[in-house]
Amino acid sequence: GDSVTQMEGPVTLSEEAFLTINCTYTATGYPSLFWYVQYPGEGLQLLLKATKADDKGSNKGFEATYRKETTSFHLEKGSVQVSDSAVYFCALSDLGMNRDDKIIFGKGTRLHILP
Amino acid sequence: DSGVTQTPKHLITATGQRVTLRCSPRSGDLSVYWYQQSLDQGLQFLIQYYNGEERAKGNILERFSAQQFPDLHSELNLSSLELGDSALYFCASSVGARNEQFFGPGTRLTVL
Repeated sequence: GDSVTQMEGPVTLSEEAFLTINCTYTATGYPSLFWYVQYPGEGLQLLLKATKADDKGSNKGFEATYRKETTSFHLEKGSVQVSDSAVYFCALSDLGMNRDDKIIFGKGTRLHILP
Repeated sequence: DSGVTQTPKHLITATGQRVTLRCSPRSGDLSVYWYQQSLDQGLQFLIQYYNGEERAKGNILERFSAQQFPDLHSELNLSSLELGDSALYFCASSVGARNEQFFGPGTRLTVL
């Protein structure tokens, strides 16, 4: 079945460091790909998305490019801030031959930014 | 604020009991989704309703059930609770298929 694999955390970086969180996926159809963020004590928020190959999603300085050839959707940010400390989830939604549009999540990567 | 509301925020109960979690979707959203977030299983899809009808089922136990009412709010019923049911339960809503899902703040269930 469809699945998402992302790098395990926690990831600890200093402020202004470059961030990469790796994510790869397996899907039978044509998935849309997402990154969600969960700040402490809060629900999930959509950070960015891409709906087809070679699309780049971006938001708040974060970027991710939908790479069909490598089945990847790595999250990057050039200069992280303390306020970026959160748990990041890579996810996909694959209608495929079925009609449901549930989201399949990776296990999450906890990011901790040191001042 | 996503516009999705969930009540209660916290729930503490005992094994064997039954609880009901409530979700109000964003205005205009017809689809409601329930997810469970636990330490060992991560975030898992439970069930989806669209305009009152069940549309998709995920890893939902037989002890759990859900429904969506005519006003589009949804309830998730958990019965014969076990210690392992302790988790965060999220509701999400969307306008329809292939649309962005907006998540509520969650209900934290603790089973003692």
